[in-house]
Amino acid sequence: KAGVTQTPRYLIKTRGQQVTLSCSPISGHRSVSWYQQTPGQGLQFLFEYFSETQRNKGNFPGRFSGRQFSNSRSEMNVSTLELGDSALYLCASSLVAGTEYNEQFFGPGTRLTVL
Amino acid sequence: AQSVTQLGSHVSVSEGALVLLRCNYSSSVPPYLFWYVQYPNQGLQLLLKYTSAATLVKGINGFEAEFKKSETSFHLTKPSAHMSDAAEYFCAVRDSSYKLIFGSGTRLLVRP
Repeated sequence: KAGVTQTPRYLIKTRGQQVTLSCSPISGHRSVSWYQQTPGQGLQFLFEYFSETQRNKGNFPGRFSGRQFSNSRSEMNVSTLELGDSALYLCASSLVAGTEYNEQFFGPGTRLTVL
Repeated sequence: AQSVTQLGSHVSVSEGALVLLRCNYSSSVPPYLFWYVQYPNQGLQLLLKYTSAATLVKGINGFEAEFKKSETSFHLTKPSAHMSDAAEYFCAVRDSSYKLIFGSGTRLLVRP
């Protein structure tokens, strides 16, 4: 079974631009979560989608948004990029959402560099 | 609010030595705890998870962790380090809204 895939793997943008990252979950998984990883702030939760609905959101500005499609694939968008948005963006999928032992499977991440 | 604290941002051990990575949690309810490993340029891989069925949890690659409620700890251990264990390790707790809260990570260096 294929794992979580994220595209693109690397991305370079300039300040003020917008970017869209894509995540394809493991087949059959209906929940997708997004995390931002930076050296300074570590791993921070962005949001979670389940059955095309955002069910959980972290403490990020409105420039960060996401969506999920009927096939469970998810995209996240960052508008008006800032230098501080440079990070590794990780996507994780799981079978369902809202359970204690729900195991999340992570993709390799998209490395975003903002110049 | 749930949180985890990882003591030591870097740990260095010799190949064959015991690995001990520390994690303390803060939770007002029974915690759901996880250990993840991240190799360079890769995502996170689940090593093990605490399910309350047993206090000693065995994971992949020879790692295990012991849940100690009295010490609010969930330390990760491996009896004998291997060069391939060099990576960054994250302890995480699932909060009341079911999202994962990660510790700051511990980078493990294994010396030959």
